[in-house]
Amino acid sequence: EIVLTQSPGTLSLSPGERATLSCRASQSVSSNYLAWYQHKPGQAPRLLIYGASSRATGIPDRFTGSGSGTDFTLTISRLEPEDFAVYYCQQYGGSPRTFGQGTKVEIK
Amino acid sequence: EVQVLESGGGLVQPGGSLRLSCAASGFTFSNYAMSWVRQAPGKGLEWVSSISSSGPYTYYADSVKGRFTISRDNSMNTLDLQMNSLRAEDTAVYYCTLINYGAFDYWGQGTLVTVSS
Repeated sequence: EIVLTQSPGTLSLSPGERATLSCRASQSVSSNYLAWYQHKPGQAPRLLIYGASSRATGIPDRFTGSGSGTDFTLTISRLEPEDFAVYYCQQYGGSPRTFGQGTKVEIK
Repeated sequence: EVQVLESGGGLVQPGGSLRLSCAASGFTFSNYAMSWVRQAPGKGLEWVSSISSSGPYTYYADSVKGRFTISRDNSMNTLDLQMNSLRAEDTAVYYCTLINYGAFDYWGQGTLVTVSS
């Protein structure tokens, strides 16, 4: 099983600032099959990025995914008020599909 | 507009059974693999089970294998999860989601399952 470790656990930032979230895999993720999700309390999670760097439908270009192998990054270039949420990475290159433990982006 | 709507959650005693359903609309249901993902209180997301687009192939997390059964009816655009021998650790919000580009695209609002005596 591929274990995904996200860091930091919590990121305290102000609107307009840049957020950099890390996801490290215990082994190489096949074909960079890594996704990022945004999850707000009481809402459905939303797919942001798939294939490590491809934006899902309707996702603003301030969200950028990068990385390969075992190290992946989600960057939010300028935080908007609606971006404060928990973010999860998830790999689908190996079985079982696994998620990271999440990074909470909170308002400073 | 793509929509998936879960139902069937509730309170059940340990050892009991529950059947979750997911009604899908706004896309060609029979073209997509589907999954269930859950979130226990205060915890992160956990993949539970997936089923191929036409249904013959099913996959389960080790934590539910032998107890849960995923199924689909492509004529009715519905996805089900039969949960037997429920345990306290199965308490969670269960989400229905479609697999697109390999990832979990379009999620429902979830349905809460509470296993407690």
